[in-house]
Amino acid sequence: QVQLVQSGTEVQKPGASVKLSCKASGYTLSSYALHWVRQAPGQGLEWMGWINAGDGHTKYSQNFQGRVTITRDTSANTAYMDLTSLRSEDTAVYYCARDVGAAAFDIWGQGTVVTVSS
Amino acid sequence: ETVLTQSPGVLSLSPGERATLSCRASQSVRSNYVAWYQHKPGQAPRLLIYAASSRATGVPGRFSGSGSGTDFTLVISSLEPEDFAVYYCQQYVTSPITFGGGTKVEIK
Repeated sequence: QVQLVQSGTEVQKPGASVKLSCKASGYTLSSYALHWVRQAPGQGLEWMGWINAGDGHTKYSQNFQGRVTITRDTSANTAYMDLTSLRSEDTAVYYCARDVGAAAFDIWGQGTVVTVSS
Repeated sequence: ETVLTQSPGVLSLSPGERATLSCRASQSVRSNYVAWYQHKPGQAPRLLIYAASSRATGVPGRFSGSGSGTDFTLVISSLEPEDFAVYYCQQYVTSPITFGGGTKVEIK
């Protein structure tokens, strides 16, 4: 069964960093691009960035430039998203999603809740 | 950046009724690479439609997408109880990838 399994709930203090994981199951991570999308409480979906899991090339939304880093470990079939200098506005559910090109984002992880609070 | 504007913000309908959701782009979307997702609380978004009009695997035939250029539409021909959710359009051809603000389809 093709799926993306994300790491568990995080609670962090303002100014801290968080690193989320997204493990691909049922397919080879490096065969597709992978994106990170978040949803803050009461808000819509916001794209954060993506990685070409084959060659590691990344591109980020300017809204997160300098604070977000997406990486992958092909041996672990897992992608990661690192977000630094956390603030309360980063409280959200974070999703990873597989990009199959013309057919958009076909598989999504279950989401990771990140709460930023002092 | 391609801004996507969805309307209406909320659609109040009864089961069995037809739902028509609109998504307008601030500039033409190349290759009509617009997707529609269904999102329910506590769940991951679910891909319904890609490339404006192609149904994703396993999506019921009551969901259909159309449009080109800057105007796109998602139609649910006859609402089932499980269809009440928030729907987002997305353009995925131009960076940054953008989503519309969503349309909530609620039970009247």
